[in-house]
Amino acid sequence: DTGVSQNPRHKITKRGQNVTFRCDPISEHNRLYWYRQTLGQGPEFLTYFQNEAQLEKSRLLSDRFSAERPKGSFSTLEIQRTEQGDSAMYLCASSSRGNSYNEQFFGPGTRLTVL
Amino acid sequence: KNEVEQSPQNLTAQEGEFITINCSYSVGISALHWLQQHPGGGIVSLFMLSSGKKKHGRLIATINIQEKHSSLHITASHPRDSAVYICAVTGGGADGLTFGKGTHLIIQP
Repeated sequence: DTGVSQNPRHKITKRGQNVTFRCDPISEHNRLYWYRQTLGQGPEFLTYFQNEAQLEKSRLLSDRFSAERPKGSFSTLEIQRTEQGDSAMYLCASSSRGNSYNEQFFGPGTRLTVL
Repeated sequence: KNEVEQSPQNLTAQEGEFITINCSYSVGISALHWLQQHPGGGIVSLFMLSSGKKKHGRLIATINIQEKHSSLHITASHPRDSAVYICAVTGGGADGLTFGKGTHLIIQP
């Protein structure tokens, strides 16, 4: 499968714990995006990378959220000291220079439940 | 910040009916996307358009740049079309996609 993959698909954690999610984009895609989707809402943009550079991070929800893409390939999203309000689907997408990066391909998401 | 509004929020129709979902946005964009999301979360891109009209099978998407409005039509709807349809835009000052809340479509046999 050469699509975007995300791991784990589901994560259940207790409040206060740290969690880390991984996204592997389509191999030739140099842009990678993270989104969060809460129940009944459309996704909201969190951050994105072009290669290893994080070009936008002001939309991260708080300083408990951080993302990395150290080698310009896979990316991780970490949430520290999780809260119940962090329960959501975390989506990753990637895009390439073709179509001016406009078309994004989405992974299956990681569903986080904070107890 | 671009505001993306979709209507209706929920739509239930009978198999075979012609379906229309509407999307409006507040500021200029570089592209508008129609996406489909099935239960479980996976999002699939249906269309990306910046002008005019596109057709793929029973799906048709149109956009009016001057009116900042787009529509997604489904002809001869089928129960397998049941999903959440999401409108999203790029441009308008944002780097990532800005999404509408989605339209939950149910097609009954």
